[in-house]
Amino acid sequence: DAKTTQPNSMESNEEEPVHLPCNHSTISGTDYIHWYRQLPSQGPEYVIHGLTSNVNNRMASLAIAEDRKSSTLILHRATLRDAAVYYCILRPNAGGTSYGKLTFGQGTILTVHP
Amino acid sequence: EPEVTQTPSHQVTQMGQEVILRCVPISNHLYFYWYRQILGQKVEFLVSFYNNEISEKSEIFDDQFSVERPDGSNFTLKIRSTKLEDSAMYFCASRMTRENNSPLHFGNGTRLTVT
Repeated sequence: DAKTTQPNSMESNEEEPVHLPCNHSTISGTDYIHWYRQLPSQGPEYVIHGLTSNVNNRMASLAIAEDRKSSTLILHRATLRDAAVYYCILRPNAGGTSYGKLTFGQGTILTVHP
Repeated sequence: EPEVTQTPSHQVTQMGQEVILRCVPISNHLYFYWYRQILGQKVEFLVSFYNNEISEKSEIFDDQFSVERPDGSNFTLKIRSTKLEDSAMYFCASRMTRENNSPLHFGNGTRLTVT
């Protein structure tokens, strides 16, 4: 699987936007970019995914570089509840049952200050 | 919103004992998974299950591990003879379809402590 690189940790203040970067320079043309997060003492939670175009949903936005070698997860207004580990994961567009195998890295620990 | 539920939330067992971790996936989901996370380490894939059979498993998932979907709702992970190094959080996950980007939905895990 192609590798992703994320900062170990980031900090933000409540109500401010947060931009979480991810580098994936070896991404292949069919890899989707997925983001999951893991709140303390909980299981991972799906956040958003995209292929080439920027994406928005109720949780976050995903900005994908034109060359697809990096992406940024954007939380528009951080809340204390957004404090979590954020994982950027590449998923091959292979279909089938093996597609559920997610390869988690260490992720970015986001701390949100009141 | 429907969710994946796991029981128990915490299981303590002695080394060498058998343990069964239980999961109720989201009702219309067809693909089921177990992951684990040793304290302070990454979340690791163990096994995927579809149509009543294992579709993929990792090196971690050796002969001591087995999975079963005994009825239409439960999905279980059994460890036959637990070792100290099996102590971890075990997460069950499910997804709905073969659609390439249907997200995985995770439960909140069972903390297994082997003493």
